[in-house]
Parts: sequence; C-alpha cells; structure tokens
Amino acid sequence: KNEVEQSPQNLTAQEGEFITINCSYSVGISALHWLQQHPGGGIVSLFMLSSGKKKHGRLIATINIQEKHSSLHITASHPRDSAVYICAAGPNTGNQFYFGTGTSLTVIP
Amino acid sequence: NAGVMQNPRHLVRRRGQEARLRCSPMKGHSHVYWYRQLPEEGLKFMVYLQKENIIDESGMPKERFSAEFPKEGPSILRIQQVVRGDSAAYFCASSRGHRETQYFGPGTRLLVL
Repeated sequence: KNEVEQSPQNLTAQEGEFITINCSYSVGISALHWLQQHPGGGIVSLFMLSSGKKKHGRLIATINIQEKHSSLHITASHPRDSAVYICAAGPNTGNQFYFGTGTSLTVIP
Repeated sequence: NAGVMQNPRHLVRRRGQEARLRCSPMKGHSHVYWYRQLPEEGLKFMVYLQKENIIDESGMPKERFSAEFPKEGPSILRIQQVVRGDSAAYFCASSRGHRETQYFGPGTRLLVL
C-alpha cells in the first residue's frame, strides 16, 4: 500500500465545473504539498499546508490532520487547468517526500 | 531571480555510458532534492543534499548512482553504466530550508538506447 493515495486517477470536466481531487496519507506529516505537472512535464508547487485551508486564485486546498486527508478544489475550471495534480506528504520524521501517483485532469471547453 | 535550472533538458545515452545531470538551485537556496519519475509512474525521492553534504540518500539505487552538491557550482546527479531502466525524467528541487516549500526545475529527460 502506498503512503499517499489519490483519487480519482483521471478526471474529465466541462469548463466552469467545480473540481475536487482527494488525497489520503498514512504517515505522520509535517506538511502536505499539492503540485501541478503540465503536459510539458514541468512541476509547479501550488500549496504547502499543515493545517486548515489555503486559497490562491481559483484554487483551494484543505487538510484534515485527524483524518489524514486533504482536498484540492478548483472553482470555475478552465481548459488551462488541464494537468496532472500530485499530492506529496512531507513526513515529520526523515527527509523523503511520499508522492501520490497523480490525478490527470482534463477540462473540456 | 531565476528559478531552478536543470541541464540538459534532454539527454540520450547508449547502454554502458555515463549520464551527468546538473541542477542549479534558486538563489539563496542551499537545500537540493533529486527525484525520479519513471514512465507511467509517480515521483520518487532519490537524495537530499545541502552544500557539500549528502543528508539522505535512502532513495538512491545502491550501485551506479551518485550525487554531489559542491561548495561552488551546481548539484550533479551521476549515473554510471546506464541501462534502459534508467530512462526517466529526473527532477531537481530546491528550498531555502529543510521542510520549506520546494521549487522544482524543469527536469532532465534521460533516454537510454
């Protein structure tokens, strides 16, 4: 079993839809990261959070430490949001990150 | 302030050759992480370095792979005697401090023929 599980694996949405991507983890964490990987392969760090909720533009990330669960929400989705979204757990012991396998999002105009 | 730089962006090697991947962290960042993304798989941690020190190499294969981050110059990930299974995208990330936000480079795509 992976330390980080994401769902869904693939997601297709119509432009304008509200999108939720879920992440569950089994390790104790110091922080949880959401990353975006575009078709060209580049990776961008979207959020790093250890509690509560963060918002940046149309993106919102929440985390529930007790339930070991985080969600990434995209409001008013747009085709340019099409990418792979990766959840990564930074453990509170040790140095390595544990990555989910990613959610491939396609937003159709 | 330039982001994390990696070069080359694409590298083709024949089996048995050596591959050298370079990573220049963001200005002011002294923590460097290397990750590997195999085809159709997720990112995997390889090694974590600070200037002149390897802090954690628990994700590195025991043979043929090595990493360094010298006092001057970029961090280098070196793969000796490459095999086809080494074909992957190798990403470097840097941060100002440990467990702070990591900024990723564009990756080096290694293809072993």
